[in-house]
Amino acid sequence: KQEVTQIPAALSVPEGENLVLNCSFTDSAIYNLQWFRQDPGKGLTSLLLIQSSQREQTSGRLNASLDKSSGRSTLYIAASQPGDSATYLCAVRRYGIIQGAQKLVFGQGTRLTINP
Amino acid sequence: NAGVTQTPKFRILKIGQSMTLQCTQDMNHNYMYWYRQDPGMGLKLIYYSVGAGITDKGEVPNGYNVSRSTTEDFPLRLELAAPSQTSVYFCASSQTMNTEAFFGQGTRLTVV
Repeated sequence: KQEVTQIPAALSVPEGENLVLNCSFTDSAIYNLQWFRQDPGKGLTSLLLIQSSQREQTSGRLNASLDKSSGRSTLYIAASQPGDSATYLCAVRRYGIIQGAQKLVFGQGTRLTINP
Repeated sequence: NAGVTQTPKFRILKIGQSMTLQCTQDMNHNYMYWYRQDPGMGLKLIYYSVGAGITDKGEVPNGYNVSRSTTEDFPLRLELAAPSQTSVYFCASSQTMNTEAFFGQGTRLTVV
């Protein structure tokens, strides 16, 4: 059974710092991994999608890496801003044409606060 | 760009009542999903569909039903609401298993 863990559960840093959010998963047989952002009371906004064959993806100040063999992904946020404050979730999609293989398995999220 | 649209945004139900949560997407995606999000529990898959007429259970299907008569719509039905179904419900879609998943804004349901 695939399990996804995000540590820490909460993180508070001053504005301008570079930071790294961690995501680990137990089963390396994945199609892809996706990072989302969720603002309080809102839906999930997709940030980055990394395919299993890729090592990293970049979008603006965000860089996500994937190491399938070790079951880890990191989301790097450069020059953090108060507007980056949100909960960040990672999700993996299992590999294989089996029941439930199509689903995304989510971590619990990291609640990030950027202090001005 | 509408993307994935869910209605209603909020709803209060009495125990034993029924309702349908609506979800529609305008991206011609094959895959659609229903998740529920409980505080501190992450997102759990209720049902999913890989195309019109094809649905299957997720991790927590009890108390729910779905149908997929068109590519665009994937409604979630609660027949006999229970307090344990108090949650935030998210609908999502993706073109294939390999592509990005997009989420709606959620429906916050309270059963009293």
